[in-house]
Amino acid sequence: GIQVEQSPPDLILQEGANSTLRCNFSDSVNNLQWFHQNPWGQLINLFYIPSGTKQNGRLSATTVATERYSLLYISSSQTTDSGVYFCAVKNPTDSWGKFQFGAGTQVVVTP
Amino acid sequence: EPEVTQTPSHQVTQMGQEVILRCVPISNHLYFYWYRQILGQKVEFLVSFYNNEISEKSEIFDDQFSVERPDGSNFTLKIRSTKLEDSAMYFCASSESITGWYEQYFGPGTRLTVT
Repeated sequence: GIQVEQSPPDLILQEGANSTLRCNFSDSVNNLQWFHQNPWGQLINLFYIPSGTKQNGRLSATTVATERYSLLYISSSQTTDSGVYFCAVKNPTDSWGKFQFGAGTQVVVTP
Repeated sequence: EPEVTQTPSHQVTQMGQEVILRCVPISNHLYFYWYRQILGQKVEFLVSFYNNEISEKSEIFDDQFSVERPDGSNFTLKIRSTKLEDSAMYFCASSESITGWYEQYFGPGTRLTVT
């Protein structure tokens, strides 16, 4: 099946800093989503971004499907940005729509 | 914006007991999923469900697990006899389609603790 690799595995930021998280995938995709898992374990959908660029406040994401990667940008980070960020993809050959998740990037934002 | 809801948010149960985790998918969606995340690990696919049938399941989804859409709105995951290793976050998801470009909507999850 499709492999999803996220980097870096861990990231420590000072409040106000900017950062880039990366998601590489091993095959073509027709769906890619970014999630933030908060300290309570809840998954918050950030972006549905199979291709192109989207922005939502301080967060933005870019997917270059032809080169098999996606980037999540966090600007002016805040302590509430702490948590784990997951990338999830679906391969178009997968009949029933299941997602394959990456292992996540653990982000800690310090005051 | 429409959302997937899950209840309860946290369930504590004793080993060997049956648990039912509930989900209310988005109303016009046709495809339903359960995923599991053991603490500190990645989110894993368990099962997909369409037209009142399991359409795909992972090797994790053994005979201890079952899914059901008992009415037009709920989607449930039952674990018949819980084990310690079933302790995890369980996420429900739904989508309108599986062909073309579509978004899969995830619920906030149920934390299951087996003691």
